[in-house]
Amino acid sequence: QVTLKESGPVLVKPTETLTLTCTVSGFSLSNAELGVSWIRQPPGKALEWLAHIFSSDEKSYSTSLRSRLTISKDTSKSQVVLTMTNMDPVDTATYYCARVPVRGLALDYWGQGTLVTVSS
Amino acid sequence: DIQMTQSPSSLSASVGDRVTITCRASQSITKYLNWYQQKPGKAPKLLIYTASSLQSGVPSRFSGSGSGADFTLTISSLQPEDFATYYCQQSYNTPRTFGQGTKVEIK
Repeated sequence: QVTLKESGPVLVKPTETLTLTCTVSGFSLSNAELGVSWIRQPPGKALEWLAHIFSSDEKSYSTSLRSRLTISKDTSKSQVVLTMTNMDPVDTATYYCARVPVRGLALDYWGQGTLVTVSS
Repeated sequence: DIQMTQSPSSLSASVGDRVTITCRASQSITKYLNWYQQKPGKAPKLLIYTASSLQSGVPSRFSGSGSGADFTLTISSLQPEDFATYYCQQSYNTPRTFGQGTKVEIK
């Protein structure tokens, strides 16, 4: 059974760095056929793709957020970590992680999401 | 970045109606177009990948078509559980991008 679960702070202050962890089960981060993406959704707004990482350690980032994002993985812990620096209230959103098969490259399994609020 | 434009932004329909949502990319993305359904307070769910492949477990009333830059999601007979927001996403290149969503509401 494939599952993904996001964890991290519920509330961060402006200018702080956000660190989110996606813990996966039912598949391995060393599987050459799979990767993990991060996506966010501000309240009432559309989905926004943030980043992905594959077993080869290939990484890619949103163009507009590239300078603030870092994605990494710890295969032994089955975790993918996303850090976002210099948080701002406009970054308030539900953050999701999702699995990405190399074949087709769609987001086939999603975590439940975690709401992060940026406020002083 | 490839821009994805969905139309309409919202629509009202009745149970049993045939519903069509379109998605246009700012350049050719060949077949690399995916469709997701999202209900309030829930994570999105994959419906269609590579333009026309039905994800396992998704009812056959959902279908996708298109190639190049123009794509369509069709619901052949709208069911009560289909009232939701639908998003397209291109996976042709990075950064991956989503459409702005289409909300399907009850008429």
